[in-house]
Amino acid sequence: QSALTQPPSASGSPGQSVTISCTGTTSDVGDYTYVSWYQQHPGKAPKLMISEFTKRPSGVPDRFSGSKSGNTASLTVSGLQAEDEADYYCISWKTKLFGGGTKLTVL
Amino acid sequence: EVQLLESGGGLVQPGGSLRLSCAASGFTFRNHWMDWVRQAPGKGLEWVASIKEDGTTKYYVGSVEGRFTISRDNAQNSLWLQMNSLRAEDTATYYCAKEGRGNFDFWGQGTLVTVSS
Repeated sequence: QSALTQPPSASGSPGQSVTISCTGTTSDVGDYTYVSWYQQHPGKAPKLMISEFTKRPSGVPDRFSGSKSGNTASLTVSGLQAEDEADYYCISWKTKLFGGGTKLTVL
Repeated sequence: EVQLLESGGGLVQPGGSLRLSCAASGFTFRNHWMDWVRQAPGKGLEWVASIKEDGTTKYYVGSVEGRFTISRDNAQNSLWLQMNSLRAEDTATYYCAKEGRGNFDFWGQGTLVTVSS
């Protein structure tokens, strides 16, 4: 089993949109239902941002959205704000393997 | 409000043991799978272990199989991780996490375990 593949870094200016990808296989992403995304600020615990590819838990700003295409899940942050600067991780519940994480920088 | 409070971390020598605890509140503990997830310093997240609602089924990542034991007491709303034969590569912040529908919907603040001589 391999971890999901994420780009190590992403960046955008305030107000812009940025998309982070998470690529797996047909088994753990393409034909599967449960992929979720987590935000982690330095020194803090992770926080659930998106579940089941597209569902946003109560309290998560609607600037955060999720999608899926083939074997790739994506997290899009629209209208970037300074507080969005953090690490983001995806995970497939099929394997409970996380992606390597993406450091999002707000320029 | 869901709260998960870990304790028990600290410095331990290689080969030693440590028992982590997680006190849960704000939800019906006995109705949820619970997990431990760890994060080595400067590294990403790694799922470690899961336990079913009634404690009868447990899963572990391969690197800790046979050394770590996850357990729970639903009467005390408590989760534990017994860690034996600790190695330097087990050094990490360990998080207690509540399972939702195919996700970790709540996390504790973590407890740091350092394995070093």
